[in-house]
Amino acid sequence: QITLKESGPTLVKPTQTLTLTCTFSGFSLRTSGVGVGWIRQPPGEALEWLALIYWDGDQRYRSSLRSRLTITKDTSKNQVVLTMTNMDPVDTATYYCAHSPPGDILTGPWGQGTLVTVSS
Amino acid sequence: QSVLTQPPSASGTPGQRVTISCSGSSSNIGRNTVNWYQQLPGTAPKLLIYINNQRPSGVPDRFAGSKSGTSASLAISGLQSEDEADYYCAAWDDSLNGYVFGTGTKVTVL
Repeated sequence: QITLKESGPTLVKPTQTLTLTCTFSGFSLRTSGVGVGWIRQPPGEALEWLALIYWDGDQRYRSSLRSRLTITKDTSKNQVVLTMTNMDPVDTATYYCAHSPPGDILTGPWGQGTLVTVSS
Repeated sequence: QSVLTQPPSASGTPGQRVTISCSGSSSNIGRNTVNWYQQLPGTAPKLLIYINNQRPSGVPDRFAGSKSGTSASLAISGLQSEDEADYYCAAWDDSLNGYVFGTGTKVTVL
């Protein structure tokens, strides 16, 4: 059974850097074609894809946020970390991580999500 | 700003058929497969349809996906109260080199 869980701060101040960790089980990021991605959803708004990292280290980013995002993996810990710099109140959202099986993109499962509020 | 356009809302009475459209372009739906997600209130999205029209195990056959050209559709037949949710289409966009979601459609069962 594949499970993913997001962890990190619930409140960050403007201009700070957000670091979120996705801890997963039931699959390995050593497996060819497998990936883990991050998606966010501002309150009452639509889903927005942020980043994706594959088993071979290939990274993809949302073009509009490319300069602020970094996605890394720790295969030995079964974790994927997303950092987002220069946080702003508009970045307030629920952040999800999700599994990407070989041949598909973010078809899941997804984690339960973690709400991050940006406020001074 | 989403590049896949969906109607903001759709509704029907129990038992009716509801269809949700997803309009894209040649760089996303026109070239790549479409996934659909269901998001029940207060929960994380769940995969409903993958590769245009495939249902994961456990998804009722009341849900059907289709794709034609640069558009896709999700049909819900025999609408049930538990189908009240937000629905999102998504596809890879070759021009943006990223995954794009639709604007989302809220389905209400009257």
